[in-house]
Amino acid sequence: EAGVTQSPTHLIKTRGQQVTLRCSPISGHTSVYWYQQALGLGLQFLLWYDEGEERNRGNFPPRFSGRQFPNYSSELNVNALELEDSALYLCASSLRTSGGGPLYFGPGTRLTVL
Amino acid sequence: SQKIEQNSEALNIQEGKTATLTCNYTNYSPAYLQWYRQDPGRGPVFLLLIRENEKEKRKERLKVTFDTTLKQSLFHITASQPADSATYLCALDRDSWGKLQFGAGTQVVVTP
Repeated sequence: EAGVTQSPTHLIKTRGQQVTLRCSPISGHTSVYWYQQALGLGLQFLLWYDEGEERNRGNFPPRFSGRQFPNYSSELNVNALELEDSALYLCASSLRTSGGGPLYFGPGTRLTVL
Repeated sequence: SQKIEQNSEALNIQEGKTATLTCNYTNYSPAYLQWYRQDPGRGPVFLLLIRENEKEKRKERLKVTFDTTLKQSLFHITASQPADSATYLCALDRDSWGKLQFGAGTQVVVTP
């Protein structure tokens, strides 16, 4: 069974530009989560999508946005990039069950903002 | 929201010994707690989940305990191997709002 996939693997952008990151969940998983991990820091929750709807977002500015498609894949968009947006962006998927359960992470997209 | 504390100092341990990691949390007791392994530049990998009514969970050389009175979980790697070297993250409560909150992680270095 294929795991969570993310593209691209690496990305270099300059301040003020816009970027789109992509994620394909494990087959059968309807929930997709996005996390940001800046160098040396912990994982910060960004967004949760389920059944095509944004269900929750973390403490990030509105220039971080995304969407989930009917096939449950997802995009994360970041507008007006700032230097501090440089980080590993991780996508995870799970079954939408009450009571929690594990998240299955992709390999991440390394974004560098110059 | 929860505050999750993991040892920020790396744990250096000799091959064959048992590594013990601590995860402490504040505020409310989560319904369950999870442990993940993360290698540099890669996504975390799920290892174990323990629920609040479970005291202990085992998987191969891994053991997790959960003490809701102490608000603490211990993660043990027995008979450690150099391949166990990684950062280990504890995570709490994928609540109804979908948020699984992670600790900063503890790096484990196993030397031959």
